[in-house]
Amino acid sequence: GQQVQQSPASLVLQEGENAELQCNFSTSLNSMQWFYQRPGGSLVSLFYNPSGTKHSGRLTSTTVIKERRSSLHISSSQTTDSGTYLCALGYDTNAYKVIFGKGTHLHVLP
Amino acid sequence: AQTIHQWPVAEIKAVGSPLSLGCTIKGKSSPNLYWYWQATGGTLQQLFYSITVGQVESVVQLNLSASRPKDDQFILSTEKLLLSHSGFYLCAWSSRGTGQLYFGEGSKLTVL
Repeated sequence: GQQVQQSPASLVLQEGENAELQCNFSTSLNSMQWFYQRPGGSLVSLFYNPSGTKHSGRLTSTTVIKERRSSLHISSSQTTDSGTYLCALGYDTNAYKVIFGKGTHLHVLP
Repeated sequence: AQTIHQWPVAEIKAVGSPLSLGCTIKGKSSPNLYWYWQATGGTLQQLFYSITVGQVESVVQLNLSASRPKDDQFILSTEKLLLSHSGFYLCAWSSRGTGQLYFGEGSKLTVL
């Protein structure tokens, strides 16, 4: 079946260090989206990036379809970046069906 | 601007009791609508999607049902709750032709 693998499962950084979060998938891709999940469970959309590279502040998302991977780069991490990051892959023709990864739990130390 | 509202914010229900969770999207006509569920500490799982009024497709069977009675409304329900239904339920919408999802704030369900 369709699979999405996120790595690392957890990551501990010192404030100011950079983070690279990976999302690898085994199926065809019609959409790719990165989210930050708040402790209460609600989602904050970071990027909708089915291909190429996008930037937003200290965040960069890169999706390479032929390599079946997407990454989220966080530069100069801050304690407020701590939390869970999820990638979501739309795998059917119209991207009606979306599968989420298990997430990367990021903890940034002061 | 489009807004998505979920209700209730939280529910505590007994095993065997009925459940109805709702989701309303304002400011967007003919959206695609979705229900997701996450057990505590678990992975978000897609339950249902709907691309038009009256039409709902099931993705994962969890002894739940969904309906789309109006263009802007999506309802998740069951007649008999199980302990395994506990968790966090999220509703989302997307525009036709794109897979970009916009989520509501979610509903937390505790089944005792």
